[in-house]
Amino acid sequence: EIVLTQSPGTLSLSPGERATLSCRASQTVSSNYVVWYQQKPGQAPRLLIYGTSNRAPGIPDRFSGSGSGTDFTLTISRLEPEDFAVYHCQQYGSSPLLSFGGGTKVEIK
Amino acid sequence: DVQLVQSGAEVRKAGESLKISCKVSGYNFNTYWIGWMRQMPGKGLEWMGSIDPGDSDIAYNPSFQGQVSISADKSANTAYLQWRSLEASDTAIYYCARFGSAVIIPGFDYWGQGTPVTVSS
Repeated sequence: EIVLTQSPGTLSLSPGERATLSCRASQTVSSNYVVWYQQKPGQAPRLLIYGTSNRAPGIPDRFSGSGSGTDFTLTISRLEPEDFAVYHCQQYGSSPLLSFGGGTKVEIK
Repeated sequence: DVQLVQSGAEVRKAGESLKISCKVSGYNFNTYWIGWMRQMPGKGLEWMGSIDPGDSDIAYNPSFQGQVSISADKSANTAYLQWRSLEASDTAIYYCARFGSAVIIPGFDYWGQGTPVTVSS
């Protein structure tokens, strides 16, 4: 069973700073099948990145994804006030068929 | 516009049954899988299972197999998540979402608003 571990659990940063979020898999995951979501309080998640590095429609270019094998990263180049939220990574294709990481909260410092 | 509209909040007692729904519009219901996710209070997302409404093929997360049932009604463009006997630990928000495509977008590109379920013991 593949397990996704996100770190850190909470990231405290100021607007304008760079955020680097990690998603580590317990086994190799195809880079085609790594996805990131943003979730704000009281809202459903929103698709940000798919296939490790492809931005979903309407997602600003300050969001970028990278990685391969077992280590994947979501980077927010300059934090805007609306970026403070929880971010989830997800893999598809390994057992179980689909799974999520535990999430990283990006909070205002 | 693609929309997934879920049924409203539910309050039940342990041992009761429950069926919640997810009605979709704005695209051909038969052509995209629908997934169900659980989010317990203050926790992350858990994939419960997904259904292909076109042929009712279902994939369950082994952790939820036998605990819930997923179904779909093509005539109503609606997917369902059902429990036969709720437990207090089922208290959570449940989301439905459209799975983009394993080939193009192997993730959930449209989400419902969530259905809060509270189960008292």
